[in-house]
Amino acid sequence: EDQVTQSPEALRLQEGESSSLNCSYTVSGLRGLFWYRQDPGKGPEFLFTLYSAGEEKEKERLKATLTKKESFLHITAPKPEDSATYLCAVQSETGANSKLTFGKGITLSVRP
Amino acid sequence: GAGVSQSPSNKVTEKGKDVELRCDPISGHTALYWYRQSLGQGLEFLIYFQGNSAPDKSGLPSDRFSAERTGGSVSTLTIQRTQQEDSAVYLCASSFLIDTQYFGPGTRLTVL
Repeated sequence: EDQVTQSPEALRLQEGESSSLNCSYTVSGLRGLFWYRQDPGKGPEFLFTLYSAGEEKEKERLKATLTKKESFLHITAPKPEDSATYLCAVQSETGANSKLTFGKGITLSVRP
Repeated sequence: GAGVSQSPSNKVTEKGKDVELRCDPISGHTALYWYRQSLGQGLEFLIYFQGNSAPDKSGLPSDRFSAERTGGSVSTLTIQRTQQEDSAVYLCASSFLIDTQYFGPGTRLTVL
């Protein structure tokens, strides 16, 4: 069974204080690892897809990396508007179902 | 372009009543997914439609839950004889084939 564990559950940063969010996973053949951002009362917003170990993707202050066991979402010099819950999910390449298996998310608060 | 839309945004019902939740996917997307997000839990897969193929219902928690997709587009998730444990946010997502899933804003269901 595919599993995703995210840590820490919550993270409080000062504006400008860089940090990383962790996503550990086990999957029967990884097709893709996805990062989403979710604001309160809204649906998840797509950020990145990573397909193979060693791959990196960047968007503004965010950078996602992937190894064979985990992914990191690095946040450089965060701003208060980066406050949100960050979700990690995996998609297996086996089976006919392309569902996503999600972690519980990491709630990030950035203080001005 | 237009994203995934869901209605209603909020639904309050009494225990034992039936409810219907609607999802309009992104135009041209072949796949449609329903997920459930309960307080403190990750997103949980419910059901998956891909084109005209039979749906994958492997995530439905009980036979009180059902879903249909008409004309390869709009989908309705029906919960019969609602229970308090059904209270959650129900999220719909769509994708082109098995590519990135884009989520709607969700329907918050409260069962009294």
